[in-house]
Amino acid sequence: EVQLQESGPGLVKPSQSLSLTCSVTGYSITSNYWGWIRKFPGNKMEWMGYINYSGSTRYNPSLESRISITRDTSKNQFFLQLNSVTTEDTATYYCARSTNYMDFDYWGQGVMVTVSS
Amino acid sequence: DIQVTQSPSSLLASLGERVTITCQTSQSIRNNLNWYQQKPGQAPMLLIYYATSLQTGMPSRFSGQYSGRSFTLTITSLEPEDIANYFCLQHYSAPYTFGAGTKLELK
Repeated sequence: EVQLQESGPGLVKPSQSLSLTCSVTGYSITSNYWGWIRKFPGNKMEWMGYINYSGSTRYNPSLESRISITRDTSKNQFFLQLNSVTTEDTATYYCARSTNYMDFDYWGQGVMVTVSS
Repeated sequence: DIQVTQSPSSLLASLGERVTITCQTSQSIRNNLNWYQQKPGQAPMLLIYYATSLQTGMPSRFSGQYSGRSFTLTITSLEPEDIANYFCLQHYSAPYTFGAGTKLELK
């Protein structure tokens, strides 16, 4: 079965970069689409972007200037980097898989990140 | 961006009761909407995909319907394990957007 697990620091200082890892088991990230979603306090959710089977990326235009999604196929992991964070980036971050037949079918349990000095 | 309006934001229901949650989109998305169940500290679980298809392994008391831009998730008879947060997601057009969620609680 496909499993995704997010990891990374739970606290980031304003103006710094947020870096998270999604480790995938049970499925190769060289197939399909692998994305990041976040849930803010108050429950609003935002799709951040994805990296696909060939390494191409697509981002939410609202984040395009400061987001990067990359991958390490040898470790079957993909990564989120969000630059110049503010307190508005405090959220629970999820990684998820999409296929050509079904979008966002498997999710990780999420990692909470607080941006605070 | 496509706006998704979900209602209600919270819902009190009794065991055995029929529960309905609705998402309305700001423009047509055909049937490109998923429903998820999420319990605290757990990963969201896909319940319904393409508006009406029940995900493998999900109980048949869950169903999805749509008409135009209005989408509904129905639980025909509420079970204790259904107490959770539910949200919808439109995947018709990027940036993909979400409903605000419905917190389902026992009356």
